[in-house]
Amino acid sequence: QKEVEQNSGPLSVPEGAIASLNCTYSDRVSQSFFWYRQYSGKSPELIMSIYSNGDKEDGRFTAQLNKASQYVSLLIRDSQPSDSATYLCAVNSQIQGAQKLVFGQGTRLTINP
Amino acid sequence: NAGVTQTPKFQVLKTGQSMTLQCAQDMNHNSMYWYRQDPGMGLRLIYYSASEGTTDKGEVPNGYNVSRLNKREFSLRLESAAPSQTSVYFCASSTGLVSPLHFGNGTRLTVT
Repeated sequence: QKEVEQNSGPLSVPEGAIASLNCTYSDRVSQSFFWYRQYSGKSPELIMSIYSNGDKEDGRFTAQLNKASQYVSLLIRDSQPSDSATYLCAVNSQIQGAQKLVFGQGTRLTINP
Repeated sequence: NAGVTQTPKFQVLKTGQSMTLQCAQDMNHNSMYWYRQDPGMGLRLIYYSASEGTTDKGEVPNGYNVSRLNKREFSLRLESAAPSQTSVYFCASSTGLVSPLHFGNGTRLTVT
């Protein structure tokens, strides 16, 4: 089982709708969770971080964390074509005796005008 | 404020050649990382440095070496390049090992 799993997509959403991206993780004691956006040919950029159960909102973005079910999700409201990108989930995990951030493979999101 | 700066942006090597990828950060971060990104494989950690003076292997260290020159700089060396090392390489930094990462712009390396 991969430590951090995401549906690779592509996920296609009409403009103005809500895009929902999901991520599951295997390390029950993970404490830090991040969402990165990566445009084609560019580097990943941090868009959300979440550390506690529940929802965290930042503009059109909402991160949701459920530690009991070991999943974290990202909702994008009022999706815009500029939101078309690959979204990477990152979770801290204990690997080989050290804490590291582990990335999922990313979900490719396309917003259709 | 430049953040994380990587050089070069592009590089083409022949099999067996060596090269060093340079990375510098100006955010006073303790931890630095080298990742490679291949289609369908996501970001894979090559090496990391939790703090100045330490380096450790990540998920895919074979064929690479690193040097944490000082707190700002972390270089990645390919001693004898192989076609399997064709990839996009990202350097990143963070305040600590579970803090959010800040990425450089990447180096696109092709080994023929």
